Amino acid sequence: AQSVTQPDIHITVSEGASLELRCNYSYGATPYLFWYVQSPGQGLQLLLKYFSGDTLVQGIKGFEAEFKRSQSSFNLRKPSVHWSDAAEYFCAVGSTGGGNKLTFGTGTQLKVEL
Amino acid sequence: GAGVSQSPSNKVTEKGKDVELRCDPISGHTALYWYRQSLGQGLEFLIYFQGNSAPDKSGLPSDRFSAERTGGSVSTLTIQRTQQEDSAVYLCASSFTGQGLAGYTFGSGTRLTVV
Repeated sequence: AQSVTQPDIHITVSEGASLELRCNYSYGATPYLFWYVQSPGQGLQLLLKYFSGDTLVQGIKGFEAEFKRSQSSFNLRKPSVHWSDAAEYFCAVGSTGGGNKLTFGTGTQLKVEL
Repeated sequence: GAGVSQSPSNKVTEKGKDVELRCDPISGHTALYWYRQSLGQGLEFLIYFQGNSAPDKSGLPSDRFSAERTGGSVSTLTIQRTQQEDSAVYLCASSFTGQGLAGYTFGSGTRLTVV
């Protein structure tokens, strides 16, 4: 069965600093990988996705992620964090078999210090 | 509509009561999903509807949970005899069949509190 691990429950960074959120997955085939962001009281917004091809994926709001098959990782990065990036971030792996279901990690809460 | 609409946004209910949560998907989206987000946990798949096919109920945690989708559009998730462990945010998502995983749009969720 597929699974996703986000080892960091909380991360605090200073505004303007770089950010890396970790995500490790377990999946038997080529994974479909996603990062979502959730602001308080909001639904999930897709930041970026990886299906195939270039392993460095660019997303919205200046985020990027790199798929590393050898490490089963899909870490999210941003060179310079803005205060508005404070939110909860979820990594997910998708399965096309049986209906395009997503399996999510437990999330990383990002706090940005001014 | 422009997005996935869920109602109510917040619901407080007494233990043992039944509740109904509603999801209005984006018009024309044939696939509809329910997920549950419990405190400190990730999102947990509950149920999936695709067109007129039988729903995939493999994620429903107990027989107190049920869902239906009328006319291929609006969906209602019903929880009978609510328990405190049912307290969570229930998220609905929809997509076009052809877009699959790439086309998920989530609603803002219903926060359910069982007291």
